[in-house]
Amino acid sequence: DAKTTQPPSMDCAEGRAANLPCNHSTISGNEYVYWYRQIHSQGPQYIIHGLKNNETNEMASLIITEDRKSSTLILPHATLRDTAVYYCIVSSTGANNLFFGTGTRLTVIP
Amino acid sequence: EAQVTQNPRYLITVTGKKLTVTCSQNMNHEYMSWYRQDPGLGLRQIYYSMNVEVTDKGDVPEGYKVSRKEKRNFPLILESPSPNQTSLYFCASRAFGRKETQYFGPGTRLLVL
Repeated sequence: DAKTTQPPSMDCAEGRAANLPCNHSTISGNEYVYWYRQIHSQGPQYIIHGLKNNETNEMASLIITEDRKSSTLILPHATLRDTAVYYCIVSSTGANNLFFGTGTRLTVIP
Repeated sequence: EAQVTQNPRYLITVTGKKLTVTCSQNMNHEYMSWYRQDPGLGLRQIYYSMNVEVTDKGDVPEGYKVSRKEKRNFPLILESPSPNQTSLYFCASRAFGRKETQYFGPGTRLLVL
């Protein structure tokens, strides 16, 4: 599976959009981009995933660049409850495992 | 309610005393796995299982054993725990081929003295 690079931490003002970047320059054609988050010491929670088109659900939007070498997770109106570690994961459908790495710690500031 | 349960949630033990952390899921998922989480190292996979009686090593399997005799259960066994196994452990399950459906348990915090 392709390796991802994320900033270790970010801050965002409450009510503003949080844009979390992820670089995956070695991604291959059959690999999806997944985003999970982990609030405090709870188990990680799925947010969204995509292959090459932009995706949106009730939690977030995922923007994948045309060359697929990077992506951005967007939380449109961040709340204090969005404070968490966000993991960007690249994995093919045939791979058995999700490699979580260390993620980005997002702090939403009142 | 769909869920993954782990027991115990907290455990303090001593070096060398065998212990088992249980994991159970009620979603009929084929795939189950164990992770450990340590500060600065993120989540690392210990073992995974694709189905009953099928298990395989993850990234950090040393010092651990698992078994998958029933589809719903996937216990993690530490035959002779050591202090470097002090960690936060998570069990997870998902439908085979559906990585977006991975559900995690609440975690087990283990301290080995």
